[in-house]
Amino acid sequence: DAGVTQSPTHLIKTRGQQVTLRCSPKSGHDTVSWYQQALGQGPQFIFQYYEEEERQRGNFPDRFSGHQFPNYSSELNVNALLLGDSALYLCASSQRDGYGYTFGSGTRLTVV
Amino acid sequence: GQQVMQIPQYQHVQEGEDFTTYCNSSTTLSNIQWYKQRPGGHPVFLIQLVKSGEVKKQKRLTFQFGEAKKNSSLHITATQTTDVGTYFCAGRETSYDKVIFGPGTSLSVIP
Repeated sequence: DAGVTQSPTHLIKTRGQQVTLRCSPKSGHDTVSWYQQALGQGPQFIFQYYEEEERQRGNFPDRFSGHQFPNYSSELNVNALLLGDSALYLCASSQRDGYGYTFGSGTRLTVV
Repeated sequence: GQQVMQIPQYQHVQEGEDFTTYCNSSTTLSNIQWYKQRPGGHPVFLIQLVKSGEVKKQKRLTFQFGEAKKNSSLHITATQTTDVGTYFCAGRETSYDKVIFGPGTSLSVIP
């Protein structure tokens, strides 16, 4: 039973560039949530996708956008990267009622 | 907006000692979840509490949800080196709401 798969594992980008992160949820899960985790801090909620629509959004600017595909996989896009966007980006999948998230191993994004 | 706080931020214990971390929400929660993140790893779901005053045990771990459903605690009895990591509580205001994480309590266990 595959868990949550995220790609790439590491990424280095330059300020102003754009990045796309990908997530395949655990089998049987239909809801994907994205979190940003800075070093030494708790995960910060970015947004959640269900039925290919953004259902919930945290306090992140419009530079952060996403998409969910019919097979429940998801992408996180960040435009006009800033140094402060450097963090671990975590994808979490669940069933709609969210009993316990299953997290992927994350994508470590470094903006230079 | 909803805020979730945890204390302490760090805890260093001798192996065999007990450990407790406390979680408080600014709003009443529908449920609360606990996660463990090992150094360099990702959060791993431990448990979810739903009912007011609920207490659940997993081996040496005891989880409690407050009567007002605004606070929770995790107690580890007789810590082991395998308990090292950061423990996060995470709450949601409704069943389908976003899950908001606390800042975590980092546990170090001295052998």
